[in-house]
Amino acid sequence: KNEVEQSPQNLTAQEGEFITINCSYSVGISALHWLQQHPGGGIVSLFMLSSGKKKHGRLIATINIQEKHSSLHITASHPRDSAVYICAADNNDMRFGAGTRLTVKP
Amino acid sequence: ETGVTQTPRHLVMGMTNKKSLKCEQHLGHNAMYWYKQSAKKPLELMFVYSLEERVENNSVPSRFSPECPNSSHLFLHLHTLQPEDSALYLCASSTRPGGKLFFGSGTQLSVL
Repeated sequence: KNEVEQSPQNLTAQEGEFITINCSYSVGISALHWLQQHPGGGIVSLFMLSSGKKKHGRLIATINIQEKHSSLHITASHPRDSAVYICAADNNDMRFGAGTRLTVKP
Repeated sequence: ETGVTQTPRHLVMGMTNKKSLKCEQHLGHNAMYWYKQSAKKPLELMFVYSLEERVENNSVPSRFSPECPNSSHLFLHLHTLQPEDSALYLCASSTRPGGKLFFGSGTQLSVL
């Protein structure tokens, strides 16, 4: 069993929908990262958080340390949000989830 | 543009070839990483260099040989690879400990 589990594996949404991607981890962490990978491979770091909630534009990330769970929310989704979203647990070494492939249809 | 540059973007090589992947960062980070991403599998950490010293080697076969000549440059030397080594190889850098990772665009490697 992977130390970092993401759900769902694949997600298709209509433009404008509110989207939630979940991440559960079993290791102790100093931080939890959310990454975005577009077709072509490049990965961009969206958030690094160790408690509470962070917001950047239409993206919101939350974490519950006691429950070892984090969520990434996208409000008013757009086709350009289509990408693979990866959760990573940082305990000095990074443990990655398998990713959630998001497709937003116009 | 993340500030981490990887070359080449694509590489096709035979099993007897020797090639090298290059990574460069000018973000002032003190750690650089090689990751492997195979189809439908999570990112796998291969090597970590912190202050130019290798601090982690995750049981990677010796046909992969990293080199970190200074804090801005990282290489991955490849020789006698196998077809199952075909994957996306990503370089990243960060301020260690605790910093965000900045990734390069990756090298898509195909071993024939």
